[in-house]
This record gives sequence, structure tokens and C-alpha cells, in this order.
Amino acid sequence: QVQLVDSGGGVVQPGRSLRLSCAASGFIFTRYGMHWVRQAPGKGLEWVAVIWSNGINNYYADFVKGRFTISRDNSKNTLSLQMNSLRAEDTAVYYCVREYSPFNGFDYWGQGTLVTVSS
Amino acid sequence: QSALTQPPSASGSLGQSVTISCTGTSSDVGGYNYVSWYQQHPGTAPKLMIYEVSKRPSGVPDRFSGSKSGNTASLTVSGLQAEDEADYYCSSYAGNNNWVFGTGTKVTVL
Repeated sequence: QVQLVDSGGGVVQPGRSLRLSCAASGFIFTRYGMHWVRQAPGKGLEWVAVIWSNGINNYYADFVKGRFTISRDNSKNTLSLQMNSLRAEDTAVYYCVREYSPFNGFDYWGQGTLVTVSS
Repeated sequence: QSALTQPPSASGSLGQSVTISCTGTSSDVGGYNYVSWYQQHPGTAPKLMIYEVSKRPSGVPDRFSGSKSGNTASLTVSGLQAEDEADYYCSSYAGNNNWVFGTGTKVTVL
């Protein structure tokens, strides 16, 4: 069965960095685009970034552009999100998400990992 | 990219129906048939309920249906059951490899 396991969250000071990881299993990883979606405490969902199945093309929401980098290792079935220059407003649960098909909905979600940016 | 607009709350009695709207623009909802809907219970990850405006993934009851007219998409839950009480979010492809979510609607089953 499809599984996405998120990890790497924690408490970090403003301006510092953190790297999230997602271990994928139960499907052919190289066939799917992968995303990160976040949810601030008590708030709605926000799309963060996407990386195509080829691992080359990646795109970001404006509010993380230049600070976050999405990447994938297709040999290890892992997705990553490098987050630099973190701000208090980046505090959220971050979900690794599989794209159902190009540009389409998100059919499988990780359990989420909480990132708290606080001094 | 602005969030899609959903009503903050909606309610219906057991066995009745509830419809949730999701309003965007011609650059997102109105421009693509890539609208999807998600159900989220407290403390859990969202679950895909509808994709491509009106298609249901396997395992999702046919009580859930989706539609779109112009820049507004809708999710209807018929025959409301207690377990349908949850937060619901719409999402749309917004072009240029960007996606946008709705503001979310809390559905209460009376």
C-alpha cells in the first residue's frame, strides 16, 4: 500500500534552517510528481512546492521562493524540503503529498511533521 | 495567489444534504477542470474526496459529488452521516505550476 512518512520537523529559531524528509513506498516513485503542502495551527491548507517526476523541474509558492528548495532522490524514493531563513509565519505542519496525475489533485498524504519557528 | 473562497461553516441534519461552494477566478477554478476536494478530520491528514471537478477516487462513497459552473465549484454531500462532520477544502490548479487551496469549510451534522 502507498505510504508517505514525513520526518525532520522540530523547533528552530528565526533565520535558521531545517530539512524535512519524506520516505515513499508502495508505488513507483519515479512516475509521480510530489508536493509539499503546509497547514499553520488552526488554519487552512497552503500549497508550498512541487517537483516533477523527473526531479528536474520544481516550482514554488511566492512566499517561499528563494528560501525553500524541494528535491527528490529517485534512487532512494525520498522527497526533501530544505527550508532556509525561516520565519515565525512558516510555523506549520508540513505534509508530503503525491500528485494523482499532472496538475491534478493530491491522492496520498504523509502524516505531517510540525515545524515551529520561535526564539 | 489568493486562496479560493469557501463559506466558513455549513450544516445539515442526519440524512439531509449539504452543499459547499468554492469561488475562484478565471485563472484557477474557471480556467481548468482540475478542481479537487479534501476532507480533514481533527488531527489527521486530508483525504482526497473528489478530483477533476466531479470524479471520485475508489472507496469514496457516491454520497459525495462535485460540480463546477464558471468560477465556482461545489461539493455536495447527500445522506449526511455523523462521520461526514469534518473540515472540507477545495483546491485548484492555478496555472504556471501553481496550486491554490480554499479557505476551508467546517461541516456540522446536526
